[in-house]
Amino acid sequence: AQSVTQLDSQVPVFEEAPVELRCNYSSSVSVYLFWYVQYPNQGLQLLLKYLSGSTLVESINGFEAEFNKSQTSFHLRKPSVHISDTAEYFCAVSDRDNQGGKLIFGQGTELSVKP
Amino acid sequence: EAGVAQSPRYKIIEKRQSVAFWCNPISGHATLYWYQQILGQGPKLLIQFQNNGVVDDSQLPKDRFSAERLKGVDSTLKIQPAKLEDSAVYLCASSRMLLTDTQYFGPGTRLTVL
Repeated sequence: AQSVTQLDSQVPVFEEAPVELRCNYSSSVSVYLFWYVQYPNQGLQLLLKYLSGSTLVESINGFEAEFNKSQTSFHLRKPSVHISDTAEYFCAVSDRDNQGGKLIFGQGTELSVKP
Repeated sequence: EAGVAQSPRYKIIEKRQSVAFWCNPISGHATLYWYQQILGQGPKLLIQFQNNGVVDDSQLPKDRFSAERLKGVDSTLKIQPAKLEDSAVYLCASSRMLLTDTQYFGPGTRLTVL
């Protein structure tokens, strides 16, 4: 069985500051890793995902995450945040060998960007 | 391309009443998921369909929850009877077929059980 722990429930930062949202997972099998974002009053959207290859993956809006197998982590980072990045961010994993693609989500981290 | 549609967006009921939620996935998506998101928690999978067959319903409380996907397109999730702890947002998602395909989520239905 897999589990996901997001270490911070809330992260307040000032605009243009760097941010890191932490995600650790536990699994006895190989996994795929995802970050989803939920903007206020909107549905969940995929931000980025790690399937294979380079352990550093990037999104189109400047976020990046690095898969660290030895530390079982997939932290999300952005060097300079904007007000529009205010949202809830969810880390998720799925079992590579489970053809169903079931996602196991963390509890979420609320990112609040202040001017 | 239209996204995943869900209705209603909000529902308030008394405990022991019944309620049903509807989901229309993205056209051509073979896989459909229902998740339950309780306030302060991440979404939890309730049931997954591949076309009109159930792939995983291990976390569906089958004594009160049921779901169907007739003709492999739209899906309905029902709760009968509802309990206070069923208050949550019910999310529907769909994906093409492969394990690595992105899941696209609908806006959700917020259920309040009084």
